Amino acid sequence: DQQVKQNSPSLSVQEGRISILNCDYTNSMFDYFLWYKKYPAEGPTFLISISSIKDKNEDGRFTVFLNKSAKHLSLHIVPSQPGDSAVYFCAASADSNYQLIWGAGTKLIIKP
Amino acid sequence: NAGVMQNPRHLVRRRGQEARLRCSPMKGHSHVYWYRQLPEEGLKFMVYLQKENIIDESGMPKERFSAEFPKEGPSILRIQQVVRGDSAAYFCASSPALENTEAFFGQGTRLTVV
Repeated sequence: DQQVKQNSPSLSVQEGRISILNCDYTNSMFDYFLWYKKYPAEGPTFLISISSIKDKNEDGRFTVFLNKSAKHLSLHIVPSQPGDSAVYFCAASADSNYQLIWGAGTKLIIKP
Repeated sequence: NAGVMQNPRHLVRRRGQEARLRCSPMKGHSHVYWYRQLPEEGLKFMVYLQKENIIDESGMPKERFSAEFPKEGPSILRIQQVVRGDSAAYFCASSPALENTEAFFGQGTRLTVV
C-alpha cells in the first residue's frame, strides 16, 4: 500500500529548461511534505518543504506546488543545471508525526 | 549532512553472521531515525530513538533486528543471523526536535550479505 507515489522512475531534461517532478499521495492526513535529493553513495539531502496550509513554496530555483484536492505535489527546478542530476524523493508526514513516508524516487538526468 | 556519521560505509557479511551498523548524530541532536532502502525502492522507516529510549520500532522486522541509542556513544542497529534479503542501504538520520523539520542524513551503510 504505497501512500506516496512517484510514478516516473526517471526523467530527462535539457540543461536550462524546467524540470518538473511529480508526487501523488493517498493519505488525506498528510500535512507536511518534503523533497529530498540524493546522489549515488550519499545520504538524502533536504531540498525544500511545504506545509498543507500553503500551496506554494519557493527557494531559489526550486519551487514546490501543493494541490490538496488532487493530493498532488510537484517540484519545479528552473533553470535545470547539470548538478541537479540526482534521484529526487518526495516524503510526507501527518500531524507532526516523525514518520516520513517516502516515495520510490525519480531519477532526474540533465542533458547538456 | 556530513555531520551525521555512519560507519562502516560498506559491510559484507556471510549468511548467519551478525551485522552492527553505527550512527553518530549531529551535535545537539537527540533524535535518531533508521531507514532502509532496498534496491529500486524508496526509504522505509525502521525505528525512531531518543537517548536510552526506543520511541517507535513499528518499522523493524520482528525478529533478528534491534536498535539502541545509549546515553553515551552512537546509535547501533544490530542484525543477527543475516540473510540475503537483508542486503540494502541503511540510512541513519538525526534531528534536534520532534516537530516537522528536516532530518539530516548520514551517508549510509551498504550491507551486502553473501
